[in-house]
Amino acid sequence: EPEVTQTPSHQVTQMGQEVILRCVPISNHLYFYWYRQILGQKVEFLVSFYNNEISEKSEIFDDQFSVERPDGSNFTLKIRSTKLEDSAMYFCASRPDRGNEKLFFGSGTQLSVL
Amino acid sequence: EDQVTQSPEALRLQEGESSSLNCSYTVSGLRGLFWYRQDPGKGPEFLFTLYSAGEEKEKERLKATLTKKESFLHITAPKPEDSATYLCAVQARGDYKLSFGAGTTVTVRA
Repeated sequence: EPEVTQTPSHQVTQMGQEVILRCVPISNHLYFYWYRQILGQKVEFLVSFYNNEISEKSEIFDDQFSVERPDGSNFTLKIRSTKLEDSAMYFCASRPDRGNEKLFFGSGTQLSVL
Repeated sequence: EDQVTQSPEALRLQEGESSSLNCSYTVSGLRGLFWYRQDPGKGPEFLFTLYSAGEEKEKERLKATLTKKESFLHITAPKPEDSATYLCAVQARGDYKLSFGAGTTVTVRA
């Protein structure tokens, strides 16, 4: 079965450094998402992306965050200057089209900011 | 703002002991209510989507139901492999995002 692939599985960085989290969504999917889950807390929406632009974003997704689909397969989340509170599991997700709301999630990237 | 509240936070069951998980929600126009399963260190795995009150969906030992204010996930005769955190999420009409509850962690003892 096709799956959403995320790399790396773990990322350790120093506060203030830039990180890029990478995702390969399922190939025929059109809607792409980033969510995060701080340890012991809810899964939180960050951003959705469709037709090469952001379609919706949360209050968490401030100027320090950006997303990009640099080619036909990758979808990236960049955090420009990481903070301690950015430490979380980051999940990429995708879904096929407007009529199909079923989201497929990747296994996540565990980001630790020291 | 969409709100999703799940109860109980944790549930310990003996193998074969059926039970139900609750998801209460408030949303400005429901597009869909979703149930996901999450294993430790993994991403959520889709189980069901429910769109309107009265709708029911089943998959193996799991059955999801929906009313105008809440959804239930019934686990019938659970097995140890059903141990996981079960997440409920809602999508409002016109939104792209899902709003998740905190989840119910189910542990099934053999």
